[in-house]
Amino acid sequence: GQNIDQPTEMTATEGAIVQINCTYQTSGFNGLFWYQQHAGEAPTFLSYNVLDGLEEKGRFSSFLSRSKGYSYLLLKELQMKDSASYLCAPGYQKVTFGTGTKLQVIP
Amino acid sequence: GAGVSQSPRYKVAKRGQDVALRCDPISGHVSLFWYQQALGQGPEFLTYFQNEAQLDKSGLPSDRFFAERPEGSVSTLKIQRTQQEDSAVYLCASSFPASGANVLTFGAGSRLTVL
Repeated sequence: GQNIDQPTEMTATEGAIVQINCTYQTSGFNGLFWYQQHAGEAPTFLSYNVLDGLEEKGRFSSFLSRSKGYSYLLLKELQMKDSASYLCAPGYQKVTFGTGTKLQVIP
Repeated sequence: GAGVSQSPRYKVAKRGQDVALRCDPISGHVSLFWYQQALGQGPEFLTYFQNEAQLDKSGLPSDRFFAERPEGSVSTLKIQRTQQEDSAVYLCASSFPASGANVLTFGAGSRLTVL
């Protein structure tokens, strides 16, 4: 089974940097996904980490430490459109989601 | 098709009715997943297919839930004798690789309301 823990809600200011943490306990771990979900819409893929370390993709970066069961998503230069839920999902072929972190970006 | 298509987008059912939700995955995608998402929660895994084979159905909440993908393309999630707790958005997602990490493309979902 899998135990996934993320903060429920976060608030950050436009232009700032925010870090969303995720801890997990899972059997048969292979990698970790991050998805973004705007209210009323379907999730969309952001990143996938299979090795330890930081993966950078534009304003978004994702970090993974497999030994610690820990990941974070880093969002830089926040924009209002970044207001959404961010879902942490350990997995490989079978993808299981956490409850998500609802991020509100304020002016 | 260009994306994952789900129908109906909205379904209202009376308690006890049977419902069928359809998913058309992206053409050529081997893997297909069903998730249930309650308001304010993350998507909960229900089941997944690789081609026509149902590899994992451990997330189906009861034997009232049944999924099939007979020809390895379109999938149907059937819920028998619906209950109020079945009210949720049902998300379908598909992915190309038969092996390797499943980067999922989601459909817009089917919102089920059971009265």
